Amino acid sequence: DTGVSQDPRHKITKRGQNVTFRCDPISEHNRLYWYRQTLGQGPEFLTYFQNEAQLEKSRLLSDRFSAERPKGSFSTLEIQRTEQGDSAMYLCASSLGGTGDFFFGSGTRLTVV
Amino acid sequence: AQKVTQAQTEISVVEKEDVTLDCVYETRDTTYYLFWYKQPPSGELVFLIRRNSFDEQNEISGRYSWNFQKSTSSFNFTITASQVVDSAVYFCALSLYNQGGKLIFGQGTELSVKP
Repeated sequence: DTGVSQDPRHKITKRGQNVTFRCDPISEHNRLYWYRQTLGQGPEFLTYFQNEAQLEKSRLLSDRFSAERPKGSFSTLEIQRTEQGDSAMYLCASSLGGTGDFFFGSGTRLTVV
Repeated sequence: AQKVTQAQTEISVVEKEDVTLDCVYETRDTTYYLFWYKQPPSGELVFLIRRNSFDEQNEISGRYSWNFQKSTSSFNFTITASQVVDSAVYFCALSLYNQGGKLIFGQGTELSVKP
């Protein structure tokens, strides 16, 4: 499979716990993006990387959120001290440069109980 | 500010009908890109098309066609002879050349095609 893959597909966690999601982009893509999608809404931008550098973070990304892309390949998104409002689908996308086509993974659906 | 509006929240058609999904965008930038994505119940966003702001040619791909009109800031999507498999949520999105490629999505249109 040469597409964008995300793991896990589903995560149920108790409020206050930490969670980490992983995204593996298309191998030759240097850009990686994270989005959050709540029910009935379009995805909202969270952050993006060019290679290993995190170039922009949305105001949606509170201090409890951190993302890394240590070797410019896969990326992780960690949420600390989860809250019920964090329940959403977290989507990852990759592209070759910022003007190419953006390909999305299947997402990680987080439910905070 | 940049914005994408998909005024149709839900559309229901009967199989073989043609259907048009509307998309209106707002930006003051002159270089930008417009996209359409399909999101089936499985959740994955499936890329359908990318258009840059300098290319107003309409595009047809099988049963799908797109009409880009800068004069009205619209990028509408038409499905001809709809099929049940077309049932999904469709998103229109805008990306600005000088903002790193992040996508600004509309709220989506849920299309239901009934047999």
